[in-house]
Amino acid sequence: AIQMTQSPSSLSASVGDRVTITCRASQGIRNDLGWYQQKPGKAPKLLIYAASSLQSGVPSRFSGSGSGTDFTLTISSLQPEDFATYYCLQDYNYPLRTFGQGTKVEIK
Amino acid sequence: EVQLVESGGGLVQPGGSLRLSCAASGFTVSSNYMSWVRQAPGKGLEWVSVIYSGGSTYYADSVKGRFTISRDNSKNTLYLQMNSLRAEDTAVYYCARDSVGSYRHVVTAILYYYYYMDVWGKGTTVTVSS
Repeated sequence: AIQMTQSPSSLSASVGDRVTITCRASQGIRNDLGWYQQKPGKAPKLLIYAASSLQSGVPSRFSGSGSGTDFTLTISSLQPEDFATYYCLQDYNYPLRTFGQGTKVEIK
Repeated sequence: EVQLVESGGGLVQPGGSLRLSCAASGFTVSSNYMSWVRQAPGKGLEWVSVIYSGGSTYYADSVKGRFTISRDNSKNTLYLQMNSLRAEDTAVYYCARDSVGSYRHVVTAILYYYYYMDVWGKGTTVTVSS
C-alpha cells in the first residue's frame, strides 16, 4: 500500500504568514494527489486536485505543486478562516486511496 | 443545489449491524462514482469503500467482508451496510462524490485519469460499544 507522510503534523502561524505543508509518497504517484481542508466538526473540503489544480470557488491564496513523491500545499497569506487541518490524498492507486495523517494549522 | 445527506448512524453493540444512508440531490448517484470515508474520534481520514457508476465495488482491507456498499437508483441514495461491527469502527462516516478528470502526458501521450472527492455530506456518527 502507498503510504502518505505529511509534515509537519502541526504548525503555529499568524495571519498574513506564508504557510507550506509537505506530503511525501512512499512511491511515485505522478501528480495523482489532492489536498483537503477540514475544520472541527465539519466535513472535509476539496482545495486542490491533480496536485496543482485549484477547485472552483477556492481562494487563489491556496496553491499546490509537486510530482512523483514530493508535494506541497502553500497558503500565500494565511487568513483567519484558514485555521484548520489539512490532508493530502493519493489517487494513483485508485480506488485504494490513502490519506496523509493530517497537518493542523493553529493560531500563533 | 448539489447536496449529500447521511443518516442511519447510532449506538450499536460489538458484533451488531447498521445501515447508513446517503441521500443525494442535484445530481444522479448512479451516474457517478460514490465513496464512503470515515474518521475515528480525534484521528485522521480513512477511505472505506467506493461504488462505480457501472456497479463495481471496492473496499479498504479493514472493512472487506464486513461492509457492503450499494445504491438505490430510484431513491438516488447510497448505502453502507455494516456487519460484524467492532469498537474500531467507531467513527463519523461521510459519503462523497468522486469526480474524474483526465490529462495526456506531454511526452508519452498516454492518457491518465485523476479522481477527487468534490461533494461531501456532513457525516453520521457510528458508535460501537457495549
